[in-house]
Amino acid sequence: DGGITQSPKYLFRKEGQNVTLSCEQNLNHDAMYWYRQDPGQGLRLIYYSQIVNDFQKGDIAEGYSVSREKKESFPLTVTSAQKNPTAFYLCASSIVGGLAALSSYNEQFFGPGTRLTVL
Amino acid sequence: GQQLNQSPQSMFIQEGEDVSMNCTSSSIFNTWLWYKQDPGEGPVLLIALYKAGELTSNGRLTAQFGITRKDSFLNISASIPSDVGIYFCAGPINSGGSNYKLTFGKGTLLTVNP
Repeated sequence: DGGITQSPKYLFRKEGQNVTLSCEQNLNHDAMYWYRQDPGQGLRLIYYSQIVNDFQKGDIAEGYSVSREKKESFPLTVTSAQKNPTAFYLCASSIVGGLAALSSYNEQFFGPGTRLTVL
Repeated sequence: GQQLNQSPQSMFIQEGEDVSMNCTSSSIFNTWLWYKQDPGEGPVLLIALYKAGELTSNGRLTAQFGITRKDSFLNISASIPSDVGIYFCAGPINSGGSNYKLTFGKGTLLTVNP
């Protein structure tokens, strides 16, 4: 089945430790995204990548890092510099096209999420 | 900026009732997307709208792209308990050149009492 997988579903870490969240997709999508979700806050964009070996900061990138070495994979590292890392993290992917504003290229498909709790 | 204002923030309804929620912006959008998120899961795309005035249905769900391009509406008819969840609207904003990213409303939390 084609889709996006995130692992693990639940993750617990001690304060001060870095942790890496996995995101893999087999949809052959060029673009991948990481969002953070807190209660009542909606979805906030952390980082996104529209092509391998390239990525851009989103609205709340501080304390996070990413890599995009393969088209299928976009791991997110939550570093010890992130002051409030406990949250639900969502990965998404989409295709990329020249007329992105006017077509289905905008449709993003989400993984099941990882709930990170820092103790 | 291109922020989306979604209302209501939450709704408590009885099974069988119809539901209506909306999303507005001070900026024009060329696409409106509606997602549903079940508790503890990732959002799932319900309906995509690409043309002003467009009315699209997906089962008991109907969404409309406002004529002004600054709003969109989602209606759910004859609600059932599995309609429970958070409904988000989203639209693309330019992130540079021909690249776009999505901005999301803060969601409408729907509770259905059986």
